Amino acid sequence: EIVLTQSPATLSLSPGERVTLSCRASQSVSSYLAWYQQKPGLAPRLLIYDASNRATGIPARFSGSGSGTDFTLTISSLEPEDFAVYYCQQRSNWPLTFGGGTRVEIK
Amino acid sequence: QVQLQESGPGLVKPSQTLSLTCTVSDYSISSGNFYWSWIRQRPGKGLEWIGYIYYTGSTYYNPSLESRVIISADPSKNQFSLRLSSVTAADTAVYYCARTQLVFSFDYWGQGTLVTVSS
Repeated sequence: EIVLTQSPATLSLSPGERVTLSCRASQSVSSYLAWYQQKPGLAPRLLIYDASNRATGIPARFSGSGSGTDFTLTISSLEPEDFAVYYCQQRSNWPLTFGGGTRVEIK
Repeated sequence: QVQLQESGPGLVKPSQTLSLTCTVSDYSISSGNFYWSWIRQRPGKGLEWIGYIYYTGSTYYNPSLESRVIISADPSKNQFSLRLSSVTAADTAVYYCARTQLVFSFDYWGQGTLVTVSS
């Protein structure tokens, strides 16, 4: 099973700041990585699939990059609604697995 | 806009079987362009993929749960279901159903339903 490690566990930031979230895989997942945003009490929302493809309706301030074992989700300028938990997910090997999440909180 | 809605008991006794149904609106599960998955989130924890079903009836399960899981579908009702047997307190979680793209990312989710395993 591929283990995805997200860092840091928590980020404290202010609106308008640029944020970079990291996801590292225990072995190569090629570009088969997705990112999700989850707010309290709600289901996750797909942001990015296959490392760099924005899902339908996702604002351009969200971007993804990386391949192999190291991936990044970047939010170019934090909006108030972006404070949430972010998860990565790989589809390279079965079973599909998720990272442990990074919480982005208001500073 | 595709909508998914989970339904089922919120409380299950240990050793019994957890049964949930996902009703899909505004998209046919028989279309063949998507898989249909169950995912759970234990309290305060991350996400765990349970398994999927395809319109052909083929399924694939997480090996960690495979011996206890059955996912089935009823195309006439546009529903798919989860059965998880021999549950313990460790199965207490919010259970989500999700539409799964052919690239195995989850683009539409239900709101989730909390299932508590307790006597």
